[in-house]
Amino acid sequence: SQKIEQNSEALNIQEGKTATLTCNYTNYSPAYLQWYRQDPGRGPVFLLLIRENEKEKRKERLKVTFDTTLKQSLFHITASQPADSATYLCALDAYSSASKIIFGSGTRLSIRP
Amino acid sequence: SAVISQKPSRDICQRGTSLTIQCQVDSQVTMMFWYRQQPGQSLTLIATANQGSEATYESGFVIDKFPISRPNLTFSTLTVSNMSPEDSSIYLCSVVFGGRETQYFGPGTRLLVL
Repeated sequence: SQKIEQNSEALNIQEGKTATLTCNYTNYSPAYLQWYRQDPGRGPVFLLLIRENEKEKRKERLKVTFDTTLKQSLFHITASQPADSATYLCALDAYSSASKIIFGSGTRLSIRP
Repeated sequence: SAVISQKPSRDICQRGTSLTIQCQVDSQVTMMFWYRQQPGQSLTLIATANQGSEATYESGFVIDKFPISRPNLTFSTLTVSNMSPEDSSIYLCSVVFGGRETQYFGPGTRLLVL
């Protein structure tokens, strides 16, 4: 079955540094991968989508890479700010349906001033 | 994007009772999903709410426990039946617009079963 792994431990970063989060997957070749942000007590908010034929995608201070050989995606936040503190989830399209997505466990990111 | 609301936002229920959660979207959407997020865990897909037909459930979830309705393209309900403390969780609905992959989530319903 599909398996998605993210850093289970919280990531603590000094403000201004680049935060890098990892998402690894097994037993599947997804058509796309998404990253979401979730704040406490709220639903996830979509950030970026990257397709299997794309190696990198950027949006403002965010950058996502997708390595289908390593079965890994990296999510970077440059010039990090305390407001970036949240849990970040990666998600893959489900094997059974391109419209369904399966979430990883998420990585909690804390940016200290 | 879409404005998605859920009712109730939170509830405390007694064991053995049932709770119906509503999800309302401000525009017509192609697909609606229901997720569960247990404390400290990620999101687990419960089912896809199909308009005008029975929901499609994921492994481990059954209609008797989680009946779902979707009478139109902007509204769905999820009922958590015969609740036990293990059902304490956040329940989230999400929507997808036609031809796209991005999901938009409601604010969630926080349920505590005593």
